[in-house]
Amino acid sequence: DAGVIQSPRHEVTEMGQEVTLRCKPISGHDYLFWYRQTMMRGLELLIYFNNNVPIDDSGMPEDRFSAKMPNASFSTLKIQPSEPRDSAVYFCASSSSLDSKPNYGYTFGSGTRLTVV
Amino acid sequence: AQTVTQSQPEMSVQEAETVTLSCTYDTSESNYYLFWYKQPPSRQMILVIRQEAYKQQNATENRFSVNFQKAAKSFSLKISDSQLGDTAMYFCAFFDRGSTLGRLYFGRGTQLTVWP
Repeated sequence: DAGVIQSPRHEVTEMGQEVTLRCKPISGHDYLFWYRQTMMRGLELLIYFNNNVPIDDSGMPEDRFSAKMPNASFSTLKIQPSEPRDSAVYFCASSSSLDSKPNYGYTFGSGTRLTVV
Repeated sequence: AQTVTQSQPEMSVQEAETVTLSCTYDTSESNYYLFWYKQPPSRQMILVIRQEAYKQQNATENRFSVNFQKAAKSFSLKISDSQLGDTAMYFCAFFDRGSTLGRLYFGRGTQLTVWP
């Protein structure tokens, strides 16, 4: 398996522009998570999905952030309009509720480093 | 909500020495997992080791081992024979096996530097 695939790896955009981050989870995984990592706040859970349905989006900072999972193999996190304080590394992770106990754990993507100037 | 606390923001150790990273957690649950993740400068999050709460035996993975104290809600990571490649941010994480929510709770992380 290729693991969790995120794109782009780096994104630099101007304030006010729309940014879309993409994630392909591991095939067969039924949970997908979006995290944001900053020096100040550490790892923050933004939103997560179970079987393509959003379960908890209480971590989404503002209405400027939205996430979708149209099917089991693809999710997007969109920021519109972007602001400099959105600069961070955004991780996608997936997991399976069917994993046997010894194997349970998240698999993370490589992250997208977003810089808003 | 579950909380995970890593009280050491930074630590350093000389190559070949042993270092222990601390983690405490707060939960009323009895069926859970605990994890340590490693994030090297490449920023890839890598699962280092996991512990099931019902197991009394401490988990080990090569040079990595844990000291799981369930009553004290403590879960420390010991790295033996430290190597330069162990330099990374280390995150402790908690998972409630009995919950339908399916999410991990992470600590703030400990930045470990291994020096020659």
